[in-house]
Amino acid sequence: SAVISQKPSRDICQRGTSLTIQCQVDSQVTMMFWYRQQPGQSLTLIATANQGSEATYESGFVIDKFPISRPNLTFSTLTVSNMSPEDSSIYLCSVLRDRDYGYTFGSGTRLTVV
Amino acid sequence: GDSVTQMEGPVTLSEEAFLTINCTYTATGYPSLFWYVQYPGEGLQLLLKATKADDKGSNKGFEATYRKETTSFHLEKGSVQVSDSAVYFCALSEFTGGGNKLTFGTGTQLKVEL
Repeated sequence: SAVISQKPSRDICQRGTSLTIQCQVDSQVTMMFWYRQQPGQSLTLIATANQGSEATYESGFVIDKFPISRPNLTFSTLTVSNMSPEDSSIYLCSVLRDRDYGYTFGSGTRLTVV
Repeated sequence: GDSVTQMEGPVTLSEEAFLTINCTYTATGYPSLFWYVQYPGEGLQLLLKATKADDKGSNKGFEATYRKETTSFHLEKGSVQVSDSAVYFCALSEFTGGGNKLTFGTGTQLKVEL
């Protein structure tokens, strides 16, 4: 399976600021995804990061709040903009190389907004 | 739309006890089914998967069988250890051209005591 490096692993941020999370994969993958896991909750898909085009956002998530870049087949970033305490969550990058290998997840970014 | 329902936790067991975590799903097509595990303070790891009806996924003593007739994918282990304490997520993906995403259940926390 693919190996994912996600940075930073954790951060504490002031409200109103923005944080960019990076996801680097050790091989080219077609599908990359960003998830949010709020405290004590399950994972919710934020968006699918598309290489060379705009990300596809799920209901309840918008580009202005969670801009995503995907400049190539091994790298993506998620920015959490104008943060509030409600954005405190774990954010996870995930990739799908092919159906046989399934989905692989990064170790996550634990964000606390104060 | 697709959905996954898991038994609520926390589930508390004594070491060497038998474990069952129930999972049922709703999907429009023929999904692949997954169990992921999240150990305290860590990211998500794939525990096992099954891609078609009657397939049995297994790993680390855990097993789950894809039951199309009952739309279920229950997780079992014959003898749990303290090190199995974690949160377990059931998930599905339909691998359709329109959206290859994982839909997660709410997660079940397992606590194993000596």
